[in-house]
Amino acid sequence: GAGVSQTPSNKVTEKGKYVELRCDPISGHTALYWYRQSLGQGPEFLIYFQGTGAADDSGLPNDRFFAVRPEGSVSTLKIQRTERGDSAVYLCASSLTGGYGYTFGSGTRLTVV
Amino acid sequence: DAKTTQPTSMDCAEGRAANLPCNHSTISGNEYVYWYRQIHSQGPQYIIHGLKNNETNEMASLIITEDRKSSTLILPHATLRDTAVYYCIVRVANAGGTSYGKLTFGQGTILTVHP
Repeated sequence: GAGVSQTPSNKVTEKGKYVELRCDPISGHTALYWYRQSLGQGPEFLIYFQGTGAADDSGLPNDRFFAVRPEGSVSTLKIQRTERGDSAVYLCASSLTGGYGYTFGSGTRLTVV
Repeated sequence: DAKTTQPTSMDCAEGRAANLPCNHSTISGNEYVYWYRQIHSQGPQYIIHGLKNNETNEMASLIITEDRKSSTLILPHATLRDTAVYYCIVRVANAGGTSYGKLTFGQGTILTVHP
């Protein structure tokens, strides 16, 4: 596709449940990023993939959060035992390695009730 | 990455130039200045970047002071669709500004363009 696609656009889940958020990057973009954005704040870095491997996962808040990119294209962010504090917009971005502008998707709004 | 300071909010009249300042007094020699903006309910959008020379593209101009401790993003003829949060980011990059790895966003400046 022409841009970064994220699904679902909205997700409501109950506290304690498991959720998966999907990101389809721009074709050919080797780098993929996940960010989290709370209301009124700038995006907060979570994890960065170069190809299939996580090159930097220093932003993952705890071991309930995990992300994969098994074939170097689509990525899934997985959150176990969701908490109300996990409610936020989860943004995905992709770029060419050595690019200077990242392309972001519109995000998945996660609400934990 | 060097820390940046931006005003919390700014207003601009439609059709006028919007000048958004950013302070980055601790910037180091191999750090570039990048600007992104985020329109409501969308992801951030790359606008422009620069090292020390002024830069211009179809979206905006970037003016960097000679000592590189501050910069200004200029939208020459602001429209209502330019209403957004504008983020100034400073980070290490390769020659030309290519880079990879995480971006560190601050709070940004909320620009409101009014009729």
